Formats: sequence, C-alpha cells, structure tokens
Amino acid sequence: QSALTQPASVSGSPGQSITISCTGTSSDVGGYNYVSWYQQHPGKAPKLMIYEVSNRPSGVPDRFSGSKSGNTASLTISGLQAEDEADYYCSSYTSSSTHWVFGGGTKLTVL
Amino acid sequence: EVQLVQSGAEVKKPGESLKISCKGSGYSFTSYWIGWVRQMPGKGLEWMGIIYPGDSDTRYSPSFQGQVTISADKSISTAYLQWSSLKASDTAMYYCARTVWGSYRSPFDYWGQGTLVTVSS
Repeated sequence: QSALTQPASVSGSPGQSITISCTGTSSDVGGYNYVSWYQQHPGKAPKLMIYEVSNRPSGVPDRFSGSKSGNTASLTISGLQAEDEADYYCSSYTSSSTHWVFGGGTKLTVL
Repeated sequence: EVQLVQSGAEVKKPGESLKISCKGSGYSFTSYWIGWVRQMPGKGLEWMGIIYPGDSDTRYSPSFQGQVTISADKSISTAYLQWSSLKASDTAMYYCARTVWGSYRSPFDYWGQGTLVTVSS
C-alpha cells in the first residue's frame, strides 16, 4: 500500500487533456509544497516533470502543469501526444521519518 | 553535463553481500544529496534513503533502515548502496538520483541508469 493514492490508469486521445490525482494527508501533500511528479517510460529511469507543486524543470513542455488543493495534488497534461504514454508517479516530502513518499503510479495510455 | 553512472547488473545468491555504486560527474558532488530508489519488478518507486556526501549525513526510510547501508566516498565522487545478507525479496532495479538543490527536502532531477539486482538460489 503506497503512502500516496493515485488512479491505476488513465487514458486520453491525442490532443485531449487528462488529469492525474495524488491524494495524501496533512502530513505530506497537504502539509508541504514539496510535491513532485515523475514520468517513467518502460525500461527507463524516472524523469522529473514537476517540482514544488507547479514548477517545471528546464526542458519540460508547458503542456505539463501541476496544482494542489488540500491533501490532493494533480498533474494535468494538455494537448496529449503519443510520447506522453508512460507511467507517472507523484511524490511528496513527509513529516514522518520516511522523508519522501511516492504514489503507486498511474499508467497513461494515449489512445 | 551532470551524469550519474551506476555499476552493472548483479546476480547473487541469498545470504551473499553486495555493494553497488553510483558515480557522479559534471557537478560539485559534495553539494547535493544522493538518494536511492527501489523499483521491484512491475511495481512502483520506493524511496530508500539519502546521503549528503559533503559530511556523510544519511537518512533512511524506516522500511529500509537496518536492511541496507548507504555510504559515499567524496574523494572519488561515488555513492554506494550495500547489503550484508541479500534476500530473494531484494530483487529489484535500484536507482541513484541527485537532489535538485542541497537539501533532502528536494526532489531528484538527475538519475542514474539503474542497477538490476537479482537474488536467486
């Protein structure tokens, strides 16, 4: 059981928008603005897509955006492209001795 | 260019010891934390622990405390993850990753390519 809850899968057609949710508690997502999102293609290392809830690292397309409300963070991908098909993981700093926790991951399928 | 290069795949028997490595280059190795993340076959990411090579300050997830040891040798810009007695359940891909800034409250921006550890009798 992962500390953060994500839907197992989402799907969308090219050009559409999708949103992936990430639900935690007041000890992690709700308590800090240290929420990150990672993209992982099969057989590859994860790639940082969003940090501190809504910041994009250099080189990440602005089609990717992040937000947070209460204990739930969200990743939105607009203008879906075939190469966006991947697994997405949220992560949050936590006040527990675990320090950082990940969500269970969401498989994005581009139809 | 920032790079983290991990040691190669390992096949070990239960009870054996193992130390895998992660060599950083292209940045000041002592100014950023290096973390380790486990990914079991077909499963999600798990945060294991993190080390600051500048002073070897190390933090572990309770799930991994006592099960692994994280260390670093700043003279050769290399971090390590080691086991004293492997179990079959340690079979996984292990990634090292660097923090975005010099705090353990930071996400990871650069990742190694991963080291596959297989433990089987």
